[in-house]
Amino acid sequence: QVQLLQSGVEVKKPGASAKVSCKASGYSFTNYGIAWVRQAPGQGLEYMGWISAFNGEILYAQNFQGRVTLTTDTSTSTAYMEMRSLRSDDTAVYYCARGSAVAAWGDYWGRGTLLTVSS
Amino acid sequence: DVVMTQSPLSLPVTLGQPASISCRSSQALVYGDGHTYLSWFHQRPGQSPRRLIYRVSIRDSGVPDRFSGSGSGTDFTLKISRVEAEDVGLYYCMQGTHWPSTFGQGTKLDI
Repeated sequence: QVQLLQSGVEVKKPGASAKVSCKASGYSFTNYGIAWVRQAPGQGLEYMGWISAFNGEILYAQNFQGRVTLTTDTSTSTAYMEMRSLRSDDTAVYYCARGSAVAAWGDYWGRGTLLTVSS
Repeated sequence: DVVMTQSPLSLPVTLGQPASISCRSSQALVYGDGHTYLSWFHQRPGQSPRRLIYRVSIRDSGVPDRFSGSGSGTDFTLKISRVEAEDVGLYYCMQGTHWPSTFGQGTKLDI
């Protein structure tokens, strides 16, 4: 069965960096892509970006351009989301979700990674 | 960015009764391939979102047939024919047609 296993809770200080992983199993990783979404406490869903393990396409939503880097490691079927210069308002649960294309995604989601940014 | 507007934002329902959520987009959602990339997600407290419907009206695998999606252009609707206790939580519409994907604000359904 398709699974997206995300890394564990992270606690960081303002200005630091964090890297969240999303390990895929149960399907051919290189036939799909991964979307990243975050959800601040008590808030709605915010789309961050897309990376295709199929053709290498990477797209960032404007709010995250320049501060977030999406990568994949096809040898381990793992996607990564790295965020730099963390601020307190980056405190959120970060989700990865599978997609067949940048417009068609969301059939499977990871359980989420809580990132807390606090001094 | 395309703005997705859901209504109502809060939806108290009675078990066994129908429920309906509306979602309106600020731009038409027909993609260049002719498909409309409008999805509906359900999120229970403390859980990840689960996709219920994609491309307006196609139910994901394992989604009960009491859930149905409809609409076109800029107006879309999610209907639950008979609400069950497990249906409580937040419902989000999302468009993938225009970059970046955007979500509605969420509708809280409770009994």
